[in-house]
Amino acid sequence: SQQGEEDPQALSIQEGENATMNCSYKTSINNLQWYRQNSGRGLVHLILIRSNEREKHSGRLRVTLDTSKKSSSLLITASRAADTASYFCATDGGGANNLFFGTGTRLTVIP
Amino acid sequence: KAGVTQTPRYLIKTRGQQVTLSCSPISGHRSVSWYQQTPGQGLQFLFEYFSETQRNKGNFPGRFSGRQFSNSRSEMNVSTLELGDSALYLCASRAGTASGELFFGEGSRLTVL
Repeated sequence: SQQGEEDPQALSIQEGENATMNCSYKTSINNLQWYRQNSGRGLVHLILIRSNEREKHSGRLRVTLDTSKKSSSLLITASRAADTASYFCATDGGGANNLFFGTGTRLTVIP
Repeated sequence: KAGVTQTPRYLIKTRGQQVTLSCSPISGHRSVSWYQQTPGQGLQFLFEYFSETQRNKGNFPGRFSGRQFSNSRSEMNVSTLELGDSALYLCASRAGTASGELFFGEGSRLTVL
């Protein structure tokens, strides 16, 4: 399976704290993406990082990519209750026209 | 611009029946992908259509099929429903041909009794 894995599976933090989620994948990639899903809803794209990039920022989000370790991390700074959701990484398998999603991290931010 | 629209949002079927789900992509998007999401298996890729042609297919039995029309709208069909087909079925569209950002609909929640 080309599916990636997120770690931890679940994370609970206080509002204002930082949240870090990790993703490991198995194949070579052109890019890696992170998505967010509120319970039972569709996924929303957060950020895309290309294989030749090591770090990318978008607002309170910071993504790192280490292709030698086939891993990525998503950092959400100064978390808010509205950040409560599941977060998924997705890879393109090195050129496939579809994305392979990880198992997801369930983040709960306590007000 | 309107987002990806999936219908119906919720439906209940019984074993052995068949179901058709519909997806209208964002205007101008020619790629439509379908995913099945279950608590046990996570997000599983079903198939992807581009310009009315199935370009990729996931590892699902032949009971799962799809098609895309000339206006890029897509349908997926599941025949001879099984209890294990209960899931959230997500459609996503994409503008280009490369593995760029996917825009997801809200999903169709299928319950098989």
